[in-house]
Amino acid sequence: QKEVEQDPGPLSVPEGAIVSLNCTYSNSAFQYFMWYRQYSRKGPELLMYTYSSGNKEDGRFTAQVDKSSKYISLFIRDSQPSDSATYLCAMSSLYNFNKFYFGSGTKLNVKP
Amino acid sequence: DAGITQSPRHKVTETGTPVTLRCHQTENHRYMYWYRQDPGHGLRLIHYSYGVKDTDKGEVSDGYSVSRSKTEDFLLTLESATSSQTSVYFCAISERKDRGHYEQYFGPGTRLTVT
Repeated sequence: QKEVEQDPGPLSVPEGAIVSLNCTYSNSAFQYFMWYRQYSRKGPELLMYTYSSGNKEDGRFTAQVDKSSKYISLFIRDSQPSDSATYLCAMSSLYNFNKFYFGSGTKLNVKP
Repeated sequence: DAGITQSPRHKVTETGTPVTLRCHQTENHRYMYWYRQDPGHGLRLIHYSYGVKDTDKGEVSDGYSVSRSKTEDFLLTLESATSSQTSVYFCAISERKDRGHYEQYFGPGTRLTVT
C-alpha cells in the first residue's frame, strides 16, 4: 500500500465550478502538507503549504487538513481554464522533514 | 523559481549507453534530489544528497548513480541505459522555511528516451 493515495482522475469541470481535490495517507507522523500544480511538460510548482490540521486560504485556493481522518483537500473556487493541470499532494513528517511523499497526481480539465 | 536548471532538457539515447544528467542550482541549497515521473507512478525518488559528497538512495535507485562534488551541481548517471529508464527526470531542492519545515522546489525536467 502506498503511503499517499490520490485519485488520478481525470476530473473535468465547467469554468466557474468549485473543484475538490483529495489525498489520503497512512502515516500519522505526517505534519507538513503541500499541494503542487504541474502544467503539461513542466516541473511541479508549489501552490500551497499547510502545517498539521486546519484550513489555509490563498485567493481562490483553500487547503484543508483533517489529521483524524488522514485526509487532505484542495478546493479551487471559480475555476478557470488556466487551472487545467495535474495537481499533486505531498507530505513530510516531523522526524524526517527532508523526505517527501507524493501522491500520483489528479489531472484537472476546466472547460470554457 | 528556486534557481534550478537541468541539462540536457531532452535526450534520446540507445540501450546500453551511459547517460549523465546535470542539475545546477544557484542558491546554495544543501539538499538536492533526483526523481523520475512516469504515468501512474507519480514522482519516485531515485537518489538524494544532503551535502557535498553525501548522498543516499531513494526507492528506485537500481541502475542509477549520483555524484555531488560541488554544492551547486548534482549529477545523475545511468551507467547502461535501458528502455525502462525512459522517463521524465526532475531535480529538486528543499529549502528551510520560517516554521522550521522544508519546502521542495523542482527544476524544469529532462525528458529521456532510451531506444
